[in-house]
Amino acid sequence: DVQLEESGGDLVQPGGSLRLSCAASGLFSIHNTDMTWVRQAPGKGLEWVSVIRSSGIAEYADSVKGRFVISRDILKNTIYLQVNSVGPEDTGIYFCAREATGDTRGLDVWGQGTTVTVSS
Amino acid sequence: EIVMTQSPDSLAVSLGERATITCTSSQSLFWSSNNKDYLAWYQQKPGHPPKLLIYWASARQSGVPARFSGSGSGTDFTLTISNLQAEDVAVYYCQQHYDSPYTFGQGTRLEIK
Repeated sequence: DVQLEESGGDLVQPGGSLRLSCAASGLFSIHNTDMTWVRQAPGKGLEWVSVIRSSGIAEYADSVKGRFVISRDILKNTIYLQVNSVGPEDTGIYFCAREATGDTRGLDVWGQGTTVTVSS
Repeated sequence: EIVMTQSPDSLAVSLGERATITCTSSQSLFWSSNNKDYLAWYQQKPGHPPKLLIYWASARQSGVPARFSGSGSGTDFTLTISNLQAEDVAVYYCQQHYDSPYTFGQGTRLEIK
């Protein structure tokens, strides 16, 4: 069974940094899959944050471009989100998700999320 | 950036009735090279991550009940939930996969009347 498990969320001061992790397990490799981060502010909707494609190419939402960096460790089957220069608007649950492969589309596997709280 | 707009923001439907949620994109999500619309629908229940319901605008994800259906093309899409069940209470989101950033709609909260 395919699973994603996020970690690394914490309380961080404004202007601080954090690294979020998403460990993948089961019969798939992040090397062959586009992997995405989506976040959700408290009581709000979903916001697409970033994707790292199977090719290794990274893309970002304008709201995080220049501050967040997505990366991956293929040997560990883990993706990361380095979160820098955080502000209150970055508070929320951060989910990682897998882009469906084959003839399907959409984010078909999600982790439970990890919580980032930006506060002094 | 493609803007996704859902309506209504919330709705209440009686058990056994039909719920209809619409999603409009600021540009076409239709890719002529494969005849597909790059639009997905998700269901999110409190305290849980989202769950993929529909992809390619109308294809049902494996394991999703047949009472969930998607339709539409281009810029206008609809999620229909027939024979509403109590377990369908959730927030529903559309998302475009046509062009990065892969934006979501603001969400529609579905409740039982």
